[in-house]
Amino acid sequence: SQQGEEDPQALSIQEGENATMNCSYKTSINNLQWYRQNSGRGLVHLILIRSNEREKHSGRLRVTLDTSKKSSSLLITASRAADTASYFCATNPDTGGFKTIFGAGTRLFVKA
Amino acid sequence: KAGVTQTPRYLIKTRGQQVTLSCSPISGHRSVSWYQQTPGQGLQFLFEYFSETQRNKGNFPGRFSGRQFSNSRSEMNVSTLELGDSALYLCASSLAPSGARSEAFFGQGTRLTVV
Repeated sequence: SQQGEEDPQALSIQEGENATMNCSYKTSINNLQWYRQNSGRGLVHLILIRSNEREKHSGRLRVTLDTSKKSSSLLITASRAADTASYFCATNPDTGGFKTIFGAGTRLFVKA
Repeated sequence: KAGVTQTPRYLIKTRGQQVTLSCSPISGHRSVSWYQQTPGQGLQFLFEYFSETQRNKGNFPGRFSGRQFSNSRSEMNVSTLELGDSALYLCASSLAPSGARSEAFFGQGTRLTVV
C-alpha cells in the first residue's frame, strides 16, 4: 500500500477561498514533499519539508509536518482557478532505501 | 538549464510487444527514478538508479526493467506488454538519491497505450 495517503480525495472550492489538503504516512521519514500535477502531465515540485521542521512557507503555500502523528498538511491561500490540479505528497522513508513514495493525491478544483 | 526530457511523449503498442522509454535527467543529476501512473493505482514506484546502479525496485513483475548509462540517461523496458501496462510513465531526476533529502524534478511523461 502507499506510504502517503492524501485526504480528501477531491476538493471543490471557490476562487479566493483557502484549500487545505492532508497527508498521512506510515513509517519514519527523512523528508516530505508536495507536488502538483496538471491533467496528464508531469509533476511540479512545490515544497520540501524536512523531518526536523514543523512548518514551511512558500508564497501562498503553507506546509506543516507533525512527525508524532505522521501527518502533513498543505494550505493554499487565496486560491485561483490556475491552482486547479492534483496534489500529491511524497515521502522519503528513513529505512535506508532510496525511493520516493507517493500517495494517491487530492484533486483540487477551483471555480472562478 | 534544460529540464528532464522523456521520449517519446506518446506511444501505442500491441499486446505482446516490448517497449523502451528514455529519460534524460537534468544536467548534473545522477539519480533517476521511474514511476507508473494509472487512474486506478495512482503513482507507483518502479525503480531508482544512481550512478548506473539500481538502488531500489518497486513491486512490479520482471517484465519491467531499466538501466542507467554513464551519462546518467536512463531507459526502462517493458516486455510482453499487457493491456494493464497502459499508463503514464514518469521519470524524475535529482542530484542525489531520493533518500538524501533532494528534490526530484519530473519530466512530462510518456503516455503508453497498449491495444
